[in-house]
Amino acid sequence: RKEVEQDPGPFNVPEGATVAFNCTYSNSASQSFFWYRQDCRKEPKLLMSVYSSGNEDGRFTAQLNRASQYISLLIRDSKLSDSATYLCVLQADSNYQLIWGAGTKLIIKP
Amino acid sequence: GAGVSQSPRYKVAKRGQDVALRCDPISGHVSLFWYQQALGQGPEFLTYFQNEAQLDKSGLPSDRFFAERPEGSVSTLKIQRTQQEDSAVYLCASSFMGRDTGELFFGEGSRLTVL
Repeated sequence: RKEVEQDPGPFNVPEGATVAFNCTYSNSASQSFFWYRQDCRKEPKLLMSVYSSGNEDGRFTAQLNRASQYISLLIRDSKLSDSATYLCVLQADSNYQLIWGAGTKLIIKP
Repeated sequence: GAGVSQSPRYKVAKRGQDVALRCDPISGHVSLFWYQQALGQGPEFLTYFQNEAQLDKSGLPSDRFFAERPEGSVSTLKIQRTQQEDSAVYLCASSFMGRDTGELFFGEGSRLTVL
């Protein structure tokens, strides 16, 4: 089983809709969680960190469920520019290494 | 520029050729990572430097891969006797602190194609 699993998609979503996707992880020692965004043929960029209590940044909401070992990303009022691959990333507290999911591809259609 | 710079952006090599990929991190960033990203996959860790010290090279796939950061700034990833399975995008990332940070700043990558 992979350490980090994501539905590869693609998720085809009409503009303005709300979309959510999850990422499951196997290492219960994982302490820090992040969502990165990667546009086609571009480098990954940090979208947001995920905090235990959940956090929001504009149209984006991230949640962490430690009991079930998953994190989620919800995008409200989706824009065409949200089309990208969203990568789930974990970090064990004792280790600088980041463990990356393969990403979920999101396509927002007009 | 202020970001992480990588060169070359694209490299086509014949099987068996040696290649060198360069990374110029953000000035003052202590940590530098090399990742390999295959199409449709997330980045796979190759190696990690803290200043000039290579603290982890566990992700290097074979002894054909070698990385250095002699002065704690620019880093070079060298691949000897390239094979077709080496074809991938090689991403360099840097961060200010050594640990406990999830924010890495990536370069645009070097896309290597081995024929």
